[in-house]
Amino acid sequence: AQSVAQPEDQVNVAEGNPLTVKCTYSVSGNPYLFWYVQYPNRGLQFLLKYITGDNLVKGSYGFEAEFNKSQTSFHLKKPSALVSDSALYFCAVRDDRGSTLGRLYFGRGTQLTVWP
Amino acid sequence: EAQVTQNPRYLITVTGKKLTVTCSQNMNHEYMSWYRQDPGLGLRQIYYSMNVEVTDKGDVPEGYKVSRKEKRNFPLILESPSPNQTSLYFCASSARPGTYNEQFFGPGTRLTVL
Repeated sequence: AQSVAQPEDQVNVAEGNPLTVKCTYSVSGNPYLFWYVQYPNRGLQFLLKYITGDNLVKGSYGFEAEFNKSQTSFHLKKPSALVSDSALYFCAVRDDRGSTLGRLYFGRGTQLTVWP
Repeated sequence: EAQVTQNPRYLITVTGKKLTVTCSQNMNHEYMSWYRQDPGLGLRQIYYSMNVEVTDKGDVPEGYKVSRKEKRNFPLILESPSPNQTSLYFCASSARPGTYNEQFFGPGTRLTVL
C-alpha cells in the first residue's frame, strides 16, 4: 500500500533562514509525489510534484523539493523563509495502480511557523 | 477562473438530520474526490469518482453517500449525520487518471454535528 510519513508535526524557523519540511514515502511501484500547502481557512494549494527526471523539483513561491530514491524521501525546502510561508504543509503520494488509480494518500501534515 | 466550489462553507446541524454538501468544478475534470480533515490525521479520502456514474469507496466511507450524475458535480450526502462526522470536508478534482495532474481543492466545508 502507498503511504507517506511526515515525521515532524511542527517546524519553526526564523525569517531569512533556510527551511526543510520532511517527508518519507512507501510505494509498491514508481513514486509520484506531491506537496500541498494549506493557509488558514483555505483549501489545499498545489506546490510541486515529482514524476520522473531531475531529483530537484522547483515549484511555486520559491519552494523546491529533493527526491531521494535510496532514502525514500521527498523533503520540501526553501533557501530563505518568509513569515508568509507559515502554513500547514502536506506531502502526498499518488497511487498509480489498478482500481485505485489516481488516488492521493496524504501525510498528517507539518505546521510551519516562520518567526519574524 | 478555474475552480472547485463547495457549498455551504459552514454548517451546524443536529444528529440524524440529512444533509448534502455540494461540489462543482468548471475544469471538465474526470476525477473527483471527497476528503475529510481531522487534527493529527491529515486528509482521509471518503469517496472518489473516476468519471460520470463511476464512484468508489475511499478509506472512510461509512456514513456517507455520493453520486456523479454530471461530470461537473459530485455531492456528498450524509443520510443520518452523527457527531463523529464533525470535520472539515474538502472536495477535489483532477484531469483523467493515468496522467500525473495535480488535484485542485475546494475551499472546504466545516461541518458540526450536535
